[in-house]
Amino acid sequence: EAGVTQSPTHLIKTRGQQATLRCSPISGHTSVYWYQQALGLGLQFLLWYDEGEERNRGNFPPRFSGRQFPNYSSELNVNALELEDSALYLCASSIGLADYNEQFFGPGTRLTVL
Amino acid sequence: AQSVTQPDIHITVSEGASLELRCNYSYGATPYLFWYVQSPGQGLQLLLKYFSGDTLVQGIKGFEAEFKRSQSSFNLRKPSVHWSDAAEYFCAVGAGLTGGGNKLTFGTGTQLKVEL
Repeated sequence: EAGVTQSPTHLIKTRGQQATLRCSPISGHTSVYWYQQALGLGLQFLLWYDEGEERNRGNFPPRFSGRQFPNYSSELNVNALELEDSALYLCASSIGLADYNEQFFGPGTRLTVL
Repeated sequence: AQSVTQPDIHITVSEGASLELRCNYSYGATPYLFWYVQSPGQGLQLLLKYFSGDTLVQGIKGFEAEFKRSQSSFNLRKPSVHWSDAAEYFCAVGAGLTGGGNKLTFGTGTQLKVEL
């Protein structure tokens, strides 16, 4: 069974540009989560999508946004990039809405903002 | 709001020695608790989880953890460490749907070094 996949592996952008990161969940999973792992800040929850809807959002500015497509894949968009957005962005997936579902993580996208 | 504390930033053990990584959590209700491992440049792999029931849980790669409600702890243990266990270990707590929607709150991680 294929795991969570993310693309691209690495992304280099300059300050002020936009970045788009992509995630494909495990087959059968309808929930997708995004986390940011920045140096010195640890792993922080960004967004949670389920069945195409945003279900929860972490403490991040509105320039972090995303969407979930009908096939349950997801995109994370970061607008007006700032240097501190440089981080490893991890996507995870789980089986839909239930009180707790184990999250399976992808390998991440390393975003570097110059 | 939930929080997780991993008091040890770095730990070094000799191969074959036992290991215990500490994790303390703060959450008002019964938490969902997890341990993940991350090798350099990689994503997170789930080692084990606690949802309810038996407070001693077994995971992959010979790891186990014990949930102690009275101490708000969920320490990870392994009786004999292998060189391949060198990695960063994260403890996480989940609040569930009623507690804020399935997000995981992570500790700051413990970097494990194994001496041969």
